[in-house]
Amino acid sequence: DAGVTQSPTHLIKTRGQHVTLRCSPISGHKSVSWYQQVLGQGPQFIFQYYEKEERGRGNFPDRFSARQFPNYSSELNVNALLLGDSALYLCASSFRPGENNEQFFGPGTRLTVL
Amino acid sequence: AQSVAQPEDQVNVAEGNPLTVKCTYSVSGNPYLFWYVQYPNRGLQFLLKYITGDNLVKGSYGFEAEFNKSQTSFHLKKPSALVSDSALYFCAVRDSYQLIWGAGTKLIIKP
Repeated sequence: DAGVTQSPTHLIKTRGQHVTLRCSPISGHKSVSWYQQVLGQGPQFIFQYYEKEERGRGNFPDRFSARQFPNYSSELNVNALLLGDSALYLCASSFRPGENNEQFFGPGTRLTVL
Repeated sequence: AQSVAQPEDQVNVAEGNPLTVKCTYSVSGNPYLFWYVQYPNRGLQFLLKYITGDNLVKGSYGFEAEFNKSQTSFHLKKPSALVSDSALYFCAVRDSYQLIWGAGTKLIIKP
């Protein structure tokens, strides 16, 4: 079975531009979470979606948005990019939200903002 | 608010020796604790979790972790380190719908 997949692998943008990152969860998983990992730090939670509805949002500005599609794949959108948005963006899937459910992570998308 | 701390930025161990990567937590209620490993240019890989039950949790690749409620710790351990264990290790605690992560500990295993 395929794991969590993310696209693109790497992305270079300039300040002010917009970016869309994509994630496909493990087959059968209905929950997708997005995290931002700045170099040298642990991941920071951005969003969680379950059954196409936002279940949680981290402390990120409104420039960050996401959605989940009927096939449970997800997109993360970031508008008006800033230099500080440069990071590894990780997508994680789980069968459903909840304390017992470990999250399985994709390889990430490395975003560089120039 | 839930939080975890990894007090060591880096841990150096000789191959074949036991290793310990430390994690302490602060939670209200029962803790749900996780360890993940991250290899260079790779995503995070799940190692093990503590939900309830035995304080010694066994996970992937020969790793185990000891939950200690009185010391609010969840240290990751392995009896005999391999060079291939060299990676970045993260401790995390579940807080409702999200994971709260430590800053990570770089583990270096020297041949």
